[in-house]
Amino acid sequence: EVQLLQSGAEVKKAGESLRISCTGSGFTFGSHYIGWVRQKPGKGLEWMGRIDPTDSYTSYSPSFQGHVTISADRSISTAYLQWSTLKASDTAIYYCAKTGEGTDAFDIWGQGTMVTVSS
Amino acid sequence: QSALTQPPSVSGSPGQSITISCTGTSADVGSYTSVSWYQQHPDKAPKLIVFDVTYRPSGVSNRFSGSKSGNTASLTISGLQPEDEADYFCAIHIIDNTVFGGGTKVTVL
Repeated sequence: EVQLLQSGAEVKKAGESLRISCTGSGFTFGSHYIGWVRQKPGKGLEWMGRIDPTDSYTSYSPSFQGHVTISADRSISTAYLQWSTLKASDTAIYYCAKTGEGTDAFDIWGQGTMVTVSS
Repeated sequence: QSALTQPPSVSGSPGQSITISCTGTSADVGSYTSVSWYQQHPDKAPKLIVFDVTYRPSGVSNRFSGSKSGNTASLTISGLQPEDEADYFCAIHIIDNTVFGGGTKVTVL
C-alpha cells in the first residue's frame, strides 16, 4: 500500500524550533515530488513548497520562503519540514503529499501533523 | 500568484447534479491543463478526485467529472449522495508552484 506517515502532534512555544517528518512507503520515494500544505483551523489549503528527493531541489511559495525549510533523506524515504523560530500564527495542521505518476497533482496525502504554538 | 476563486458553498438534494467553479486568469487556468480537485471530509486529509482537468484516479467514482472553459475550471458531481458532503478545493500546478482555491463547502440537503 502506498502511504505517507507523518510524525505526531507537537505543542511548542513561540521562538522554539521544530522539525516534523513524512515517511513514504510502497513507492519509489525518489521518483515523486513531496509537497507540504498548511491548513489553519477552519481554513483552506495553502501550498508551502515541495522537494525533489532525488537531488533535494526545493521550491517555496513566496508566502513561506525564508520562514520554513524543506529537506529530505532519500535513504530513509523521509521528507522534513522545519522551523527555526516558531510563531503563534504557525498553529495549523501540516500535510505532506506526493505527486502522482506523470502529474504534479498530489495523489497520496499524509494523515497530517497538528502543530500548536503558544505565545 | 493569487488564489483561485471558488464559491464558498454549493448545495443540492440527493440525486441532483451540482457544479463547483474555480476561476483563475489567462495566465494560469486559461493557459495550463494542470488543474486538480480535492475532497476533504471533516478531520480527514484531502483526497485527490480529479487531476489534469478531466482525469480521475483509480477508485474515484465516475460521478465526479472535471472540465475547463477559458479561465474557469469546473467540478461536477452527478447523482449527489450524502457522503459527498465535504469541502472541495481546486488547485493549479504550474512548473514549481501550486496554488489552491479557497474551497467550497458542499451540503447535501
